Amino acid sequence: AQSVAQPEDQVNVAEGNPLTVKCTYSVSGNPYLFWYVQYPNRGLQFLLKYITGDNLVKGSYGFEAEFNKSQTSFHLKKPSALVSDSALYFCAVRPDYGGSQGNLIFGKGTKLSVKP
Amino acid sequence: DAGVTQSPTHLIKTRGQQVTLRCSPKSGHDTVSWYQQALGQGPQFIFQYYEEEERQRGNFPDRFSGHQFPNYSSELNVNALLLGDSALYLCASSSTSYEQYFGPGTRLTVT
Repeated sequence: AQSVAQPEDQVNVAEGNPLTVKCTYSVSGNPYLFWYVQYPNRGLQFLLKYITGDNLVKGSYGFEAEFNKSQTSFHLKKPSALVSDSALYFCAVRPDYGGSQGNLIFGKGTKLSVKP
Repeated sequence: DAGVTQSPTHLIKTRGQQVTLRCSPKSGHDTVSWYQQALGQGPQFIFQYYEEEERQRGNFPDRFSGHQFPNYSSELNVNALLLGDSALYLCASSSTSYEQYFGPGTRLTVT
């Protein structure tokens, strides 16, 4: 079965420290991978995606993610966390349907808390 | 440029009733997907519409139905509401790029 796992329900980081939010996936074929962020009572905002090419992907607000095919992982990272980064983060995978469309399969989400 | 818009913002319904939620996609987008997000969970895919046809469907019962109009806007209909249908319903639009852009959602409460 195709799935996404976010092993940490919550990640706590001090402001200015680096942060990592973990994601692993299970999907047949080439995966298309995404990170979204959700603020309270809001929809999801797109952060970044991996489709093909360089394994290190840079996205919005200073976030980046590294695709690791052998470990089937796509961890989200940021060199220096801000208090305003505190939110709920979702990893998503889209199986390769042979086109640009198709449904997203989401993880359960990881709550990031950045303390001053 | 307006992003994805959804209406209404909040809705309270009684068990057994029917509800219609609406979505307008981001300008230039022709594909609309609907997701259900229960409290504390990630979004679950309901279905996707393209060229006014349901192109893909997730594991949801037939009580959930939809429609896409010629202007690419979309509706999600849920019949015979159950308490378990209480959730945030998210609409997402996309085009030829791979990412989907989400609206703010409609919070449905079934009592």
